[in-house]
Amino acid sequence: EVQLVESGGGLVQPGGSLRLSCAASGFTFSDHYIDWVRQAPGKGLEWVGRSKNKANGYTTEYAASVKGRFTISRDDSKSTLYLQMNSLKSEDTAVYYCTRWTAGRCDYWGQGTLVTVSS
Amino acid sequence: DIVMTQSPDSLAVSLGERATINCKSSQSILYSSNNKNYLAWFQQKPGQPPKLLIYWASTRESGVPDRFSGSESGTDFTLTISSLQAEDVAVYYCQQYYSPPYNFGQGTKLEIK
Repeated sequence: EVQLVESGGGLVQPGGSLRLSCAASGFTFSDHYIDWVRQAPGKGLEWVGRSKNKANGYTTEYAASVKGRFTISRDDSKSTLYLQMNSLKSEDTAVYYCTRWTAGRCDYWGQGTLVTVSS
Repeated sequence: DIVMTQSPDSLAVSLGERATINCKSSQSILYSSNNKNYLAWFQQKPGQPPKLLIYWASTRESGVPDRFSGSESGTDFTLTISSLQAEDVAVYYCQQYYSPPYNFGQGTKLEIK
């Protein structure tokens, strides 16, 4: 069974840092693109960034709103994707989801982890 | 960046009636090499992550009821629910995955009239 489990969310002060994890199971992690998508409270979905698969050199892509502050990395030996978030702002408050892409479709989402940036 | 604009923002439809949600991309999201539009539709119910309904603009995901269908015309895309059921109450999002940033539409809230 495919599973994506996010963790690492919590309360952090503006300007602080946090690292989210997305632990995957039930599939060959290195074969898949994995995205981070966030959703601010009561708002819509916002694409945050992507880690491509091993065949595509683990290339990363970022939304302009997080580029230079957020970094995506992955450890295929642990089947885990990370989102390192630095210089956090109040507008980064959101539920963060990791999602799996397979053959041109986003077929699995985790349950999300809540990040709250507040003093 | 490609901007995705959904309409309407909210919609109330009677049970058993048709619901139609529109999504327009600010530029073509058709990949000429495979003639596919890189457009997906998601359904999100309260307190849950989104669920994939449609990909490649008109291909229904496995397990999704056949009352859900997607269509395309140029840069205009439509999600149709042919006969609304109570369990279809949700927010629906389109997303382009043609080029980064892979933007979502703002969402359409579907309710029962």
